[in-house]
Amino acid sequence: DSGVTQTPKHLITATGQRVTLRCSPRSGDLSVYWYQQSLDQGLQFLIQYYNGEERAKGNILERFSAQQFPDLHSELNLSSLELGDSALYFCASSPTGQNEKLFFGSGTQLSVL
Amino acid sequence: AQSVTQLDSHVSVSEGTPVLLRCNYSSSYSPSLFWYVQHPNKGLQLLLKYTSAATLVKGINGFEAEFKKSETSFHLTKPSAHMSDAAEYFCVVSDHDSNYQLIWGAGTKLIIKP
Repeated sequence: DSGVTQTPKHLITATGQRVTLRCSPRSGDLSVYWYQQSLDQGLQFLIQYYNGEERAKGNILERFSAQQFPDLHSELNLSSLELGDSALYFCASSPTGQNEKLFFGSGTQLSVL
Repeated sequence: AQSVTQLDSHVSVSEGTPVLLRCNYSSSYSPSLFWYVQHPNKGLQLLLKYTSAATLVKGINGFEAEFKKSETSFHLTKPSAHMSDAAEYFCVVSDHDSNYQLIWGAGTKLIIKP
């Protein structure tokens, strides 16, 4: 168990809908990362937050947004969902976000029908 | 700019034989290098990490990797493969110039034949 909790584990929804994925980092970790993993695109970095502030942005679509709250948990919001958004979404956390080990959650499997 | 190339998308070995997963990187600064493993239907887990100490890094589950600056390589090895090693392996680089952003390789799927 990595100590990173993601909910829900599975999510099935329809095109055009909006969903929210939730992540609780390990106790004491200040940095949260979001990744998308799909068969055709592999593992893609979406966004990183550090202590409530956005630190780095990767291949995140404009339809997607994220935030990190004062208690350090994070949410990834996906809107106007398309079939191609079906993927496994991982959250990871680390103590400071610099050159260190990432602890990954077990992911949220999103299926857009 | 940093980049990571995992030279094989799939590697197949017999149980009990050595494993070699190849990774080349480019970095303008002294990099930190990582190998992560993802078992089927699981999250990713750190195998090992290099951060400019010893060039031969030992990780979990009997894996090790050697940092070779002259060859810009960080290949992952294991003397004897076990069925439980079947997984996908990712090589990752990070450096000061990129504000420590992690650059991920495309992954290598390791298949173990009985």
